[in-house]
Amino acid sequence: EAQVTQNPRYLITVTGKKLTVTCSQNMNHEYMSWYRQDPGLGLRQIYYSMNVEVTDKGDVPEGYKVSRKEKRNFPLILESPSPNQTSLYFCASSPGQGKIHEQFFGPGTRLTVL
Amino acid sequence: QKEVEQNSGPLSVPEGAIASLNCTYSDRGSQSFFWYRQYSGKSPELIMFIYSNGDKEDGRFTAQLNKASQYVSLLIRDSQPSDSATYLCAVRRYQKVTFGTGTKLQVIP
Repeated sequence: EAQVTQNPRYLITVTGKKLTVTCSQNMNHEYMSWYRQDPGLGLRQIYYSMNVEVTDKGDVPEGYKVSRKEKRNFPLILESPSPNQTSLYFCASSPGQGKIHEQFFGPGTRLTVL
Repeated sequence: QKEVEQNSGPLSVPEGAIASLNCTYSDRGSQSFFWYRQYSGKSPELIMFIYSNGDKEDGRFTAQLNKASQYVSLLIRDSQPSDSATYLCAVRRYQKVTFGTGTKLQVIP
């Protein structure tokens, strides 16, 4: 089954404790992206990647890191989480050139930073 | 000014009516435009995309684009209770995709 998986689905942590949210897709997609969704602010792009070893900042990259060492994986790293990073996070992938819009979203990760 | 603006709603329509959802965008360099549907507690799913001025129809859905007015709309004909969801407008410029905050649609049986 074609899908985007994220882990964990729910996470409660404390300020400053490094964490990683994993994202994996099995569709051989080139383009992957991370979003956060907050009430009243909608979906905001954090980082995106056009292909392996190619990443770029979205609209709200501060406090986040990403890496794209393999085509299928695109982990989101919070080196020192803060309460303002409490949010619902979505990973998405799409075929890439000419089809960036065909984004398949993962199920979401709800993160709470205390 | 937000890059992509949508009325948050809720927009309430009776079952069987036409629901009209609107979106404006600020970047004249935007290249393509999409509508995603998001049910409560679920992830967004793509339902329509449009590149050129005019209308694009797919089943009960019609997307309309007017680049001169920087306006995108989604019409849902014969609205069903199962259409009740939040509809997200998104625009793409090169590799960046920007979403609006979404319009909540309620279809009343």
